Amino acid sequence: AQSVAQPEDQVNVAEGNPLTVKCTYSVSGNPYLFWYVQYPNRGLQFLLKYITGDNLVKGSYGFEAEFNKSQTSFHLKKPSALVSDSALYFCAVRDYSGNTPLVFGKGTRLSVIA
Amino acid sequence: EAQVTQNPRYLITVTGKKLTVTCSQNMNHEYMSWYRQDPGLGLRQIYYSMNVEVTDKGDVPEGYKVSRKEKRNFPLILESPSPNQTSLYFCASSQRGSGQGWQPQHFGDGTRLSIL
Repeated sequence: AQSVAQPEDQVNVAEGNPLTVKCTYSVSGNPYLFWYVQYPNRGLQFLLKYITGDNLVKGSYGFEAEFNKSQTSFHLKKPSALVSDSALYFCAVRDYSGNTPLVFGKGTRLSVIA
Repeated sequence: EAQVTQNPRYLITVTGKKLTVTCSQNMNHEYMSWYRQDPGLGLRQIYYSMNVEVTDKGDVPEGYKVSRKEKRNFPLILESPSPNQTSLYFCASSQRGSGQGWQPQHFGDGTRLSIL
């Protein structure tokens, strides 16, 4: 069965500093990985995805994520955090075969402090 | 504008009174799904549908029903709601991508249900 772990419930970072939100996954086949962001009173918005190819994936709002197959990780990163990045972030995985549902992690709340 | 629309956005009701949360997408997506979001538990899938007339149980289907008679609509039905179904519900849709992959899901803005 597929699963996703986001080991940190909360990440605090100062504005201008780099940020990392961690995600590890488990899937039987090749993974299809996503990051989503949720702002208050809104649905989830897609940030970026990994299917194959380059291990460093660039997405919206200056975010990027690094796929590491040996560590089964897909950590979200940004070189310089903004206060407006404060939100709830979800990692998700599905088997690339596409016939399995998308499984989400429990979410990590990011707080960027001015 | 491409969107997933859920109604109602907020509902307070009582135990046992049947309710339906509607979900409609205007992107001609094949895949649709319902999730519930609870603090500390993240998003858990209730039901999903790969196409018209095809539905499957997710992780937490008990107490819920769905139907997919048309491609654009995927209503969530609570036949006899109970307080443990108080939650924030999201509908999502996506399109099949190249090969066997799926495009990222588009989410509605959520429906907050309170069952007293």
